[in-house]
Amino acid sequence: DIQVTQSPSPLSASVGDRVTITCRTSQSISNFLAWYQQKPGKVPKLLVSAAFTLQSGVPSRFSASGTGTEFTLTISSLQPEDFATYYCLQTHSLLTFGGGTKVEI
Amino acid sequence: QVQLQESGPGLVRPSQTLSLACTVSGASISRGDYYWTWIRQPAGKGLEWIGRIYTSGSTNYNPSLKSRVTISLDTSKNQFSLKLNSVTAADTAIYYCARGHQYSYGYVDYWGQGTLVHVSS
Repeated sequence: DIQVTQSPSPLSASVGDRVTITCRTSQSISNFLAWYQQKPGKVPKLLVSAAFTLQSGVPSRFSASGTGTEFTLTISSLQPEDFATYYCLQTHSLLTFGGGTKVEI
Repeated sequence: QVQLQESGPGLVRPSQTLSLACTVSGASISRGDYYWTWIRQPAGKGLEWIGRIYTSGSTNYNPSLKSRVTISLDTSKNQFSLKLNSVTAADTAIYYCARGHQYSYGYVDYWGQGTLVHVSS
């Protein structure tokens, strides 16, 4: 089984901050990683597929990178609507979610 | 626009079987580009993948749940279903159905709204 370790959690930040969330996998998964944003009471929203491909409509302040075993999601200037929980998901071998990163004030 | 909708009992007794269905609209579950998957989330906790089914009928399950889970397709209704047997309170969660891409790095894009299932006597 592939383990996915997400950090930090939680992440305390302010509006305007640059924040970075990291996911590490227990074995190489190439680019088989996606990122999701979930707000309280809402369905997870796909932000990034294939490690770095931003989905249509996702603001350009979001970016993602990485390959192999280490991946990052960066928000260049945190906005009030970005306070949420973020999850990574590996799909290389079965599916495994990271534990989540709650971005809070 | 692809839409998924979960349905099923909101309350299941311990040791019984949890049964949910997911009705898909705006896409055919017979289309080979995708797989159909179930994910759950206990209140206040993270997401847990349960399993998936391909249009061929082939399935994969989370190893931690494999002995209790069955996912099936009903192409005539454009639905897929989840059965989880021998449930306990630990299975209380919001259950989501979703669509994944068989190719294109396997990501999951469309999700249902989720249905809360409570396991209690």
